[in-house]
Amino acid sequence: GIQVEQSPPDLILQEGANSTLRCNFSDSVNNLQWFHQNPWGQLINLFYIPSGTKQNGRLSATTVATERYSLLYISSSQTTDSGVYFCAGPYEGSNYKLTFGKGTLLTVNP
Amino acid sequence: EAGVAQSPRYKIIEKRQSVAFWCNPISGHATLYWYQQILGQGPKLLIQFQNNGVVDDSQLPKDRFSAERLKGVDSTLKIQPAKLEDSAVYLCASSSTLGTQYFGPGTRLTVL
Repeated sequence: GIQVEQSPPDLILQEGANSTLRCNFSDSVNNLQWFHQNPWGQLINLFYIPSGTKQNGRLSATTVATERYSLLYISSSQTTDSGVYFCAGPYEGSNYKLTFGKGTLLTVNP
Repeated sequence: EAGVAQSPRYKIIEKRQSVAFWCNPISGHATLYWYQQILGQGPKLLIQFQNNGVVDDSQLPKDRFSAERLKGVDSTLKIQPAKLEDSAVYLCASSSTLGTQYFGPGTRLTVL
């Protein structure tokens, strides 16, 4: 099956700093999604981004499908951004079964 | 719009006991998913329903896990008998099309 690699595995920031999270895929991917899992375990869908760039407030994401990677940018980080960020995507013909990476644990300190 | 509902939120059982989890998806969502998330890992899909039919259950341990989605709405996931390695968070998600998935709060299962 598809392999999903996320980096870095852990990241500690001071409030106000910017960061970039990366997701690499071993095979072609469509319907790539980014999720945030808060400290209480709730998974929130951030972006549905098969290709191109999208922005939502302080967050933006870029997917380069031909090169099999996606980036999540967090600007002016806040303590509420803490949690685990996952990328996930199916490969073609998988009935859109999402394969998740192991996540990036982000800690934003005040 | 109400989100995906799950119950119970927490469950502690002894090994070899049985347990059941319930999920109510977002109204109108035809696709429902059950995931298992072990501590420190990303969620792993157990089973996917389209209406009341199974689309994918390739990663469901069928000797002990079962799931059903009667009438294409609510779903129940059962484990019988439970093993220690089943300790995890069980997440339910739904989607209206084969795209953006919305997750419930999860059920944290501890098997002693």
